[in-house]
Amino acid sequence: KNQVEQSPQSLIILEGKNCTLQCNYTVSPFSNLRWYKQDTGRGPVSLTIMTFSENTKSNGRYTATLDADTKQSSLHITASQLSDSASYICVATDSWGKFQFGAGTQVVVTP
Amino acid sequence: EPEVTQTPSHQVTQMGQEVILRCVPISNHLYFYWYRQILGQKVEFLVSFYNNEISEKSEIFDDQFSVERPDGSNFTLKIRSTKLEDSAMYFCASSEMVQERSNEQYFGPGTRLTVT
Repeated sequence: KNQVEQSPQSLIILEGKNCTLQCNYTVSPFSNLRWYKQDTGRGPVSLTIMTFSENTKSNGRYTATLDADTKQSSLHITASQLSDSASYICVATDSWGKFQFGAGTQVVVTP
Repeated sequence: EPEVTQTPSHQVTQMGQEVILRCVPISNHLYFYWYRQILGQKVEFLVSFYNNEISEKSEIFDDQFSVERPDGSNFTLKIRSTKLEDSAMYFCASSEMVQERSNEQYFGPGTRLTVT
């Protein structure tokens, strides 16, 4: 069964600190891995998209990594800001373009 | 920057009533989607739509649900007889290309449906 598991469920970090979110997926046949940021009550906004041949991709202070062999991805947030407080969702896409969503990691950045 | 819009932002309805959720996708996009997110749970795929027909649907998308593109700009989700468990945030999304593997989907702000 296609699944996406994220950890931790939630985390609290101090403003200015770094953090790393994890994602494990079992989607097959795998096409690409996406990270979204979802503010409370809003739609998800794309941060990165990586195909199976890409190992890393950055978008400002967000850096995603992908290991297609172990089916793991991570999202690293550098020098966190208060506006980074949101849910971060990992999405694995199969070869037919179907999205499998993770449950998200709720990040709270405190002053 | 073009964006997906959805109306209304919040809809309250009584159980058994019909509701129509409206979306205006980005104008040059060809592929449209509906998702839902029950409070505190993950986003779930409902249906994808291309060339005026459903291309894929999930097991959630039963006979109570239907989608339509009544004109060149709107994309609607109809729930014929709402149930309490239909209460959720409903997101519309659109994408430019068909079957493009790294195709970006742009999500709307969502409609919060509350069934009482």
